[in-house]
Amino acid sequence: DGGITQSPKYLFRKEGQNVTLSCEQNLNHDAMYWYRQDPGQGLRLIYYSQIVNDFQKGDIAEGYSVSREKKESFPLTVTSAQKNPTAFYLCASSSGGETQYFGPGTRLLVL
Amino acid sequence: AQSVAQPEDQVNVAEGNPLTVKCTYSVSGNPYLFWYVQYPNRGLQFLLKYITGDNLVKGSYGFEAEFNKSQTSFHLKKPSALVSDSALYFCAVRATGGGNKLTFGTGTQLKVEL
Repeated sequence: DGGITQSPKYLFRKEGQNVTLSCEQNLNHDAMYWYRQDPGQGLRLIYYSQIVNDFQKGDIAEGYSVSREKKESFPLTVTSAQKNPTAFYLCASSSGGETQYFGPGTRLLVL
Repeated sequence: AQSVAQPEDQVNVAEGNPLTVKCTYSVSGNPYLFWYVQYPNRGLQFLLKYITGDNLVKGSYGFEAEFNKSQTSFHLKKPSALVSDSALYFCAVRATGGGNKLTFGTGTQLKVEL
């Protein structure tokens, strides 16, 4: 997990609430990614960013938003439009197209 | 489109025996292939990758994987399993020149028993 931090470790969301998951890296990587992990489904890409101030939708972007204002940071907001947000969220970073390295994850639960 | 198949949801092996976790892929062009391991409630840890060159790739913790282009496979192997190897293993693929998008398999739970 070294070099990539995610916070909080657990997050609780109320109905209709937006919540933001933090991801920070000190690896000087240009690219950053957000994945969602559900049991038995592997990892699915939500959003990714290859450079500051630019990002692209992944396979399941609906109900999520991101920003990339700094190279080190790629926060993910889970909006109220995401009707099934309960999952384990993983952030990763890479130097270009090379190996992606992952953070420790944030588990999001709905109250 | 690229895809990965991990045909076994779970693999059971006795400690000291060899282990194999299977992975097949589909991609346009030449593949970049990766194996990751995940322990409970943790992020994914990188084990090894195949980019080009020797078909047998050696990685962390004594793991290795063999790239077989004709069978489009990239099976993970270890000669002697340890109880501490018990974890969830993911295979992933991306196409050369396909940007940074990785496609992951659904994972294989490895259980090593005494």
